Amino acid sequence: SQKIEQNSEALNIQEGKTATLTCNYTNYSPAYLQWYRQDPGRGPVFLLLIRENEKEKRKERLKVTFDTTLKQSLFHITASQPADSATYLCALDFGGFKTIFGAGTRLFVKA
Amino acid sequence: ETGVTQTPRHLVMGMTNKKSLKCEQHLGHNAMYWYKQSAKKPLELMFVYNFKEQTENNSVPSRFSPECPNSSHLFLHLHTLQPEDSALYLCASSQVKDYRDNEQFFGPGTRLTVL
Repeated sequence: SQKIEQNSEALNIQEGKTATLTCNYTNYSPAYLQWYRQDPGRGPVFLLLIRENEKEKRKERLKVTFDTTLKQSLFHITASQPADSATYLCALDFGGFKTIFGAGTRLFVKA
Repeated sequence: ETGVTQTPRHLVMGMTNKKSLKCEQHLGHNAMYWYKQSAKKPLELMFVYNFKEQTENNSVPSRFSPECPNSSHLFLHLHTLQPEDSALYLCASSQVKDYRDNEQFFGPGTRLTVL
C-alpha cells in the first residue's frame, strides 16, 4: 500500500541544537518533495522543495536531503530557536495538481 | 490584500444548516484547492480547480459542493453536514504549468464545528 510516514511523536530539542525530521514513503515515485511549516490554527507555509535528481538543498538554517533509493527525505534545522517550534509537513509532489501530504511532526524547541 | 484569504475563520453550524466557505487568492495563480485537515491526520485533498474547471474530486460526499466562478475565487457550499465533518478547511492556490513543481500557498483556514 502507499504510505507517507513522519515521526508521529513530537520532537523536543534544546535551543541551539540541530533538529532532524524524517519523511519516509512507500510505493510512490514523486518528482519533487516539499516541506511546509504549520503553526496552530494556521495554514501551512511552504519552506523548501527538492527535485528527485537533487541530493541536498539549503536555505538559510534549513537543509533538506532526498534519497529516492531509500525513499526518504530528511529535514534539518540548524541552530534551532524557540520560534522554530511548529508542525512540519512533508509533501510528495508529482508535478501538475497532485500533491500528497504527510501527517506532520510537531517540533518543540526549548530555550 | 495579499496572498490567500478565507472567510469565515470560524463557523459553527447545525446538521440541517446550509453555509458557504469563501476563498480568494490575490496571487494570479491558475489553480485552487480545498483541503480538509482533521486532528493528527494528513491534509486530505477534496477538490482542485484549474482555470475554473474542476480537475479533481477525491470521492467527496455530495454534502460538500464546490464552486469556482473565476480563477481568483473558490467557494465550498455545505449542507446537511455530519459531526465528523468538523475540521479545519484549508484553501490553497498555485501556479501550475507543464507538470513542474507545485508549490502551494495556503489560506488561514476555516475552523468548522458541526453540532
